[in-house]
Amino acid sequence: DQQVKQNSPSLSVQEGRISILNCDYTNSMFDYFLWYKKYPAEGPTFLISISSIKDKNEDGRFTVFLNKSAKHLSLHIVPSQPGDSAVYFCAARVFNTDKLIFGTGTRLQVFP
Amino acid sequence: DTEVTQTPKHLVMGMTNKKSLKCEQHMGHRAMYWYKQKAKKPPELMFVYSYEKLSINESVPSRFSPECPNSSLLNLHLHALQPEDSALYLCASSQAGSPDTQYFGPGTRLTVL
Repeated sequence: DQQVKQNSPSLSVQEGRISILNCDYTNSMFDYFLWYKKYPAEGPTFLISISSIKDKNEDGRFTVFLNKSAKHLSLHIVPSQPGDSAVYFCAARVFNTDKLIFGTGTRLQVFP
Repeated sequence: DTEVTQTPKHLVMGMTNKKSLKCEQHMGHRAMYWYKQKAKKPPELMFVYSYEKLSINESVPSRFSPECPNSSLLNLHLHALQPEDSALYLCASSQAGSPDTQYFGPGTRLTVL
């Protein structure tokens, strides 16, 4: 039973445009949500997080939106750059624990 | 220094071998993690150490044995593995109680023959 889902395995976006990556979750017992980026042959790199009591967090070109009623979060990248091409994982922290549950990942390709 | 290092990068072992994976960080983090990642799947948590004590074991088979000799080092001892254990093994660290910002190592690619 996949508690954190990324339904789009891949996304292709033109450089300069907005990239929107989506994530859905089924468990209400999460208190933080995170996005990680992963290049081939490297470990995941933390990008941005959001507390479950907030609905938006912004850091430079990256903004994460949380819709608790829909159990949905999204990552917006504006403007998209070729260096953003990677696999993006959303993750959710089980409330008050050290446990993260990862989504299945979305491969983003930004083309010139 | 925000680096988590893992050795070896690649490991090939037979089902009767005993080997160990090593992970090291010098960020002063007191929580360290082992994850397993199969191809086209998300990382799955195996173990969490907090202040050098095992705090989470996700029902991992006993052929995987973690060890945290000190606050900077984390080992994963492997014995009598199965071919289905072949995967990328990722180590991560974070401030204890703040798993929301985990730093990951590059992983060890393990192949069990």
